[in-house]
Amino acid sequence: NAGVTQTPKFQVLKTGQSMTLQCAQDMNHEYMSWYRQDPGMGLRLIHYSVGAGITDQGEVPNGYNVSRSTTEDFPLRLLSAAPSQTSVYFCASSYHWTSGGADTQYFGPGTRLTVL
Amino acid sequence: AQSVTQPDIHITVSEGASLELRCNYSYGATPYLFWYVQSPGQGLQLLLKYFSGDTLVQGIKGFEAEFKRSQSSFNLRKPSVHWSDAAEYFCAVVPSGGYNKLIFGAGTRLAVHP
Repeated sequence: NAGVTQTPKFQVLKTGQSMTLQCAQDMNHEYMSWYRQDPGMGLRLIHYSVGAGITDQGEVPNGYNVSRSTTEDFPLRLLSAAPSQTSVYFCASSYHWTSGGADTQYFGPGTRLTVL
Repeated sequence: AQSVTQPDIHITVSEGASLELRCNYSYGATPYLFWYVQSPGQGLQLLLKYFSGDTLVQGIKGFEAEFKRSQSSFNLRKPSVHWSDAAEYFCAVVPSGGYNKLIFGAGTRLAVHP
């Protein structure tokens, strides 16, 4: 199994440009999520999905869109990049407990994004 | 406010010394508790987790953590640190009923002196 994969590893954008960060997992996990990591702030949840066709906002959703058309893929779109979106982005996946429990989340290697 | 606190931003220990990384949380009900490690330029790897039961949890790489309900703490320990343990360590919680939504502390960066 490849686990959770993310592309690209690095990206530089200019303010106002759009792009999509790709995330895929081959573990048949229902739950997928996107986090951003900023120095001194840990990781913060951007968006998450509990299955194909179902997405919801996390703690810091502004400026980002997501969709989930398949179980395997969960792309993150930046519609109009801003310098404040310079960060490292991590995708994660896990089994989903519908009763509200939690399970181990597996993280991808990350995408380092710089917005000029 | 609900939060996860890692009081130590940086810790330096000598190789072979013992280690304790602190984590405190402020939630009404006991959340699900996790420790993750991030090596430089890498993603996050789960060290251990606590959901219920025995309050002393064993993890990978010789790490353990103890859940103390009275102190709202979940401190990570290792009896003898190796140079390869140098990394950033994150405590994280999923609040009860939180459906996998991890809330992270700010992290503790560990340096190991030879």
